[in-house]
Amino acid sequence: GQQLNQSPQSMFIQEGEDVSMNCTSSSIFNTWLWYKQDPGEGPVLLIALYKAGELTSNGRLTAQFGITRKDSFLNISASIPSDVGIYFCAGTNTGNQFYFGTGTSLTVIP
Amino acid sequence: EAQVTQNPRYLITVTGKKLTVTCSQNMNHEYMSWYRQDPGLGLRQIYYSMNVEVTDKGDVPEGYKVSRKEKRNFPLILESPSPNQTSLYFCASLPGQGYVGEQFFGPGTRLTVL
Repeated sequence: GQQLNQSPQSMFIQEGEDVSMNCTSSSIFNTWLWYKQDPGEGPVLLIALYKAGELTSNGRLTAQFGITRKDSFLNISASIPSDVGIYFCAGTNTGNQFYFGTGTSLTVIP
Repeated sequence: EAQVTQNPRYLITVTGKKLTVTCSQNMNHEYMSWYRQDPGLGLRQIYYSMNVEVTDKGDVPEGYKVSRKEKRNFPLILESPSPNQTSLYFCASLPGQGYVGEQFFGPGTRLTVL
């Protein structure tokens, strides 16, 4: 299957700091998705990106669809304690097969 | 409340004992899917279903079966579980193929195979 690599694998940051994470693929996608998973729960969609070069925001979150279509980036500004969790990227071309990244675990220190 | 439900939430079983994990959604979604989540590997798709009686293999289908006899239900069947199927399983649904940004996930089923 297609491999999506996320980095960093984990992050420990102070409350108020900005966060950046990225996801790279060995092949292109026409849709990129970013999810957050809280402990003991299923992933919840944060942002969906449908076009190469697209930059989309959702509150303090901003995500970009890489111009090569093989990567995507997620930024979180002014982190707060409730941002703690695991962030996953995902890609799809067909809308029925989804490929997820390995995840970035975020810890916010108050 | 719109939701995807899974049962059981936790299951410990032994090698070779057939089991079924149920998944149900109340949103009239056409598409449903199963994933497994393992440390360091993220989520990997097992099977998906575009509609009733239509199922297809995902990335890691070996050792699993599914059926889609009704729109709302999509059970995951392990005919002869093995320890390498110990994992956290998620069911998901979305309205249809063109609605990739509206995928809802269930709460997860943690399976341990001894």
